[in-house]
Amino acid sequence: SQQGEEDPQALSIQEGENATMNCSYKTSINNLQWYRQNSGRGLVHLILIRSNEREKHSGRLRVTLDTSKKSSSLLITASRAADTASYFCATDSLQAGTALIFGKGTTLSVSS
Amino acid sequence: GAVVSQHPSWVICKSGTSVKIECRSLDFQATTMFWYRQFPKQSLMLMATSNEGSKATYEQGVEKDKFLINHASLTLSTLTVTSAHPEDSSFYICSARDLRFGESSGNTIYFGEGSWLTVV
Repeated sequence: SQQGEEDPQALSIQEGENATMNCSYKTSINNLQWYRQNSGRGLVHLILIRSNEREKHSGRLRVTLDTSKKSSSLLITASRAADTASYFCATDSLQAGTALIFGKGTTLSVSS
Repeated sequence: GAVVSQHPSWVICKSGTSVKIECRSLDFQATTMFWYRQFPKQSLMLMATSNEGSKATYEQGVEKDKFLINHASLTLSTLTVTSAHPEDSSFYICSARDLRFGESSGNTIYFGEGSWLTVV
């Protein structure tokens, strides 16, 4: 099962530019998380935003959450070539027996 | 350091054989673990929920007789791909929920490093 769409599916930018990725989901959530995945590798947890939060920052990352629209965005500022990866949102209902449900992901390519 | 460990990181097997992937929680006990499959350039799809001491719960479309899940202890779940075929080649990743500190602690789910399966 998957929560919903992420857009864009692919994004190509130059170093120094900002990258914005959006995520929509379908069900009620307790929190939403963003992960990065380099090609062929495991997941790296980036940031978690709770359902009662609207915005959160971590370094060059800014995440927003709009529970009324069931959507979230991830902004990476001043992007670097090392930011090239796939980015996934995942929703957590925080019930003990339930898993994270992932969106389809955005593939970001940052060229130098 | 990693709190969920997966082994092996990659494995190549012949068609028709079975292969086992292990998922261990290192710092905590996990009554529930989760198995995902990820095909190239796609997202993670939840396959099943592994329940300690009881049967796994499989997502729709996942063959339980093909993907055997055993969660015999509070720190170990195994996924066995039986009679593997080339179309089973994929990245398999597990996760476990750490409930020691309660929901208010924030992120409670940790992922293993993943296992690449290639069936030839």
